[in-house]
Amino acid sequence: ELKVEQNPLFLSMQEGKNYTIYCNYSTTSDRLYWYRQDPGKSLESLFVLLSNGAVKQEGRLMASLDTKARLSTLHITAAVHDLSATYFCAVSPQGAQKLVFGQGTRLTINP
Amino acid sequence: KAGVTQTPRYLIKTRGQQVTLSCSPISGHRSVSWYQQTPGQGLQFLFEYFSETQRNKGNFPGRFSGRQFSNSRSEMNVSTLELGDSALYLCASSPGWEVGQYFGPGTRLTVT
Repeated sequence: ELKVEQNPLFLSMQEGKNYTIYCNYSTTSDRLYWYRQDPGKSLESLFVLLSNGAVKQEGRLMASLDTKARLSTLHITAAVHDLSATYFCAVSPQGAQKLVFGQGTRLTINP
Repeated sequence: KAGVTQTPRYLIKTRGQQVTLSCSPISGHRSVSWYQQTPGQGLQFLFEYFSETQRNKGNFPGRFSGRQFSNSRSEMNVSTLELGDSALYLCASSPGWEVGQYFGPGTRLTVT
């Protein structure tokens, strides 16, 4: 059974700093997704990573995928308060049309 | 394009009752999935439909069921509600896995 683990689960950081959220998964897959959720809101798609070595960037966020290590990272550069949210990674098992989510990382960025 | 819509947005039900939630996918999307989000269990997959066929089902009891109509709209039903069914129920639609899933605003169900 596919398991997805994120760390850290809680992250408090200062504006202007850099940090990385890690997403590990337990079985082979080359379909990984990152989502953002604001309090009381739904999930917003951030990145779709579909191959080993895939790297995508949008603003201060950059995501990468290493399928051999079964690891994805979400890197935050020069954090700003607007990035405060909960970030989820999700993996789609091979041959199955569903998403298995990590626990989420609650990110708080302080001025 | 309009996004995924879900109705109702909020619902309060009593234990033992049943409930039906509705989801309208983005136009052209034929795959519709449902997820349950709770503070304790996080986000869990319920089921996925494509062209009116259930292709995948999560690990939920038979009280949870769903269907998809020919226009891709989907409904999920929960019978004999329990307190633990209180959750945010999210619907997502997708044109294909290379694009990912687009989530609706959710239906917040409270069971008392």
